[in-house]
Amino acid sequence: DAKTTQPNSMESNEEEPVHLPCNHSTISGTDYIHWYRQLPSQGPEYVIHGLTSNVNNRMASLAIAEDRKSSTLILHRATLRDAAVYYCILRGAFYNQGGKLIFGQGTELSVKP
Amino acid sequence: DGGITQSPKYLFRKEGQNVTLSCEQNLNHDAMYWYRQDPGQGLRLIYYSQIVNDFQKGDIAEGYSVSREKKESFPLTVTSAQKNPTAFYLCASSIGTAQYTGELFFGEGSRLTVL
Repeated sequence: DAKTTQPNSMESNEEEPVHLPCNHSTISGTDYIHWYRQLPSQGPEYVIHGLTSNVNNRMASLAIAEDRKSSTLILHRATLRDAAVYYCILRGAFYNQGGKLIFGQGTELSVKP
Repeated sequence: DGGITQSPKYLFRKEGQNVTLSCEQNLNHDAMYWYRQDPGQGLRLIYYSQIVNDFQKGDIAEGYSVSREKKESFPLTVTSAQKNPTAFYLCASSIGTAQYTGELFFGEGSRLTVL
């Protein structure tokens, strides 16, 4: 399974943009890049996913490098509720890997008022 | 509302006892997953199932067993063979078609403590 590398922790100020990086140099052509976030003692929450093109949704934006070996999750205006552990994960095609997600350590984001 | 329900939320067990964690979903999803999370760590895959009456081992299946007799249910049994069962257990589900590579939906988790 292809792995991802993220910084252990990052800090941000409230209402400022946050760029969370992720490296995935061994990504295969059929792997989707997923981002989830988790609050203490809760299940992970889906944030966004993409394959090649940049993606936007109501929660965040995902910028994917042209060679797909790295990506960046962008929170446009951090709020205190965005403080969580963010996981960057590669999801394989369902038919040959069960569509399972392999989680790494994640990045703990703290947001200062 | 559709979602995933895990129970119990908290569970205490004596060493040597088996315990079963429940996971039910009403999302009509084919695929279901069990993950384990230890303090300060990411999630590790225990078992997953792509369809009723079929399941596969994940990375840390030893000491665990599952069944998938109904589409909506995927219970996990933590057996006495699991040496360090104290952990936070998470169940997830997703659409199970071959082309689908979208999101997983997670339950709220069950925290198991062995006394």
